[in-house]
Amino acid sequence: AQSVSQHNHHVILSEAASLELGCNYSYGGTVNLFWYVQYPGQHLQLLLKYFSGDPLVKGIKGFEAEFIKSKFSFNLRKPSVQWSDTAEYFCAFESGSARQLTFGSGTQLTVLP
Amino acid sequence: DAGVIQSPRHEVTEMGQEVTLRCKPISGHNSLFWYRQTMMRGLELLIYFNNNVPIDDSGMPEDRFSAKMPNASFSTLKIQPSEPRDSAVYFCASSFGRADTQYFGPGTRLTVL
Repeated sequence: AQSVSQHNHHVILSEAASLELGCNYSYGGTVNLFWYVQYPGQHLQLLLKYFSGDPLVKGIKGFEAEFIKSKFSFNLRKPSVQWSDTAEYFCAFESGSARQLTFGSGTQLTVLP
Repeated sequence: DAGVIQSPRHEVTEMGQEVTLRCKPISGHNSLFWYRQTMMRGLELLIYFNNNVPIDDSGMPEDRFSAKMPNASFSTLKIQPSEPRDSAVYFCASSFGRADTQYFGPGTRLTVL
């Protein structure tokens, strides 16, 4: 079965710390990969996506993610977090033959001022 | 563009009552998705439509749930009769084309007493 694993359920960092959130998917074929962010009380917003090409993808607000096919991973990174990055982050993938997204369970990021 | 519009934003109802959630996708998008988000199960795809036709409803929990898309600009998700375990945030998302990103609405927070 297709699935996405986000191993960190809750991450607490101080401002200016570096961030890396893990994401691994299980599917043997072509995938499209996404990171969505959900700020407190708000809806899901796209942070970045990977469809093809350069495996290092840059998104909004200084976030980036790297697709490593051999590891089935798509980890999210930011060199220096801000208090305003406090939110829940969801990794998702879409297999090449289907239209539906499979979401991970989410990682709650809390950035302390 | 106004983005995906959902109504109501909040719904509180009593067990056994019928609940109807509404969604207006982004104009021009031809795929529409209904998701449910709970603490226990995270984000789950319930059903998705392509060109107003239901493509995959395998995520619909049971017969109490039904969804329709009478035209390209409107969809409903109905729960009849509602139960307390249906309490969740229901998101609608839309996209255009196979490789397009899904854009999410603000969600409807449903509470069934």
